[in-house]
Amino acid sequence: EAQVTQNPRYLITVTGKKLTVTCSQNMNHEYMSWYRQDPGLGLRQIYYSMNVEVTDKGDVPEGYKVSRKEKRNFPLILESPSPNQTSLYFCASSPLAGNSGNTIYFGEGSWLTVV
Amino acid sequence: DQQVKQNSPSLSVQEGRISILNCDYTNSMFDYFLWYKKYPAEGPTFLISISSIKDKNEDGRFTVFLNKSAKHLSLHIVPSQPGDSAVYFCAASAYFGNEKLTFGTGTRLTIIP
Repeated sequence: EAQVTQNPRYLITVTGKKLTVTCSQNMNHEYMSWYRQDPGLGLRQIYYSMNVEVTDKGDVPEGYKVSRKEKRNFPLILESPSPNQTSLYFCASSPLAGNSGNTIYFGEGSWLTVV
Repeated sequence: DQQVKQNSPSLSVQEGRISILNCDYTNSMFDYFLWYKKYPAEGPTFLISISSIKDKNEDGRFTVFLNKSAKHLSLHIVPSQPGDSAVYFCAASAYFGNEKLTFGTGTRLTIIP
């Protein structure tokens, strides 16, 4: 079954304590991306990766880091979380060649609360 | 700067009637548009798309209309069913095949039985 798996699904953490949200896909997709969803703002892209070792900033990259050491994994790192990073996070993946938006697969989301 | 806007945060429609969700965009470079549907506790799933060379695309009960001159698109659902209750996001990209999507703010559709 085609899947994008995120962990953890729910997390409450404290300001400044580093955390990583993992994302893994089993479809051999080149493209992976992270979004955050906030009320009244929709889905905003944080970072994306076109392939292994190739990453780039999206629209709201401040306070986040990513890495793409393997094709299947694209972790999102919050080095020093702050309360304004409390949000619902989605990982997504898609193939590159001849693709279109309808082949973007989203994970189920990770609820992150920073207190 | 919200380049894709959905001005109605919520919409309630009677079962069996038509649901019309609207989306406006400002970036004239956008030429591929999509609608995603999202249930609670799930990730968004693709619903329907349209490229700028068309003004209409149908898939079963779902039809998307594009008015490029007005920078406006709409999603029509006919007839509306209770399972259609969800949050709907429109999204746009600068060219077909570009995964970098810009999403709207979402409209919560509630179908009333």
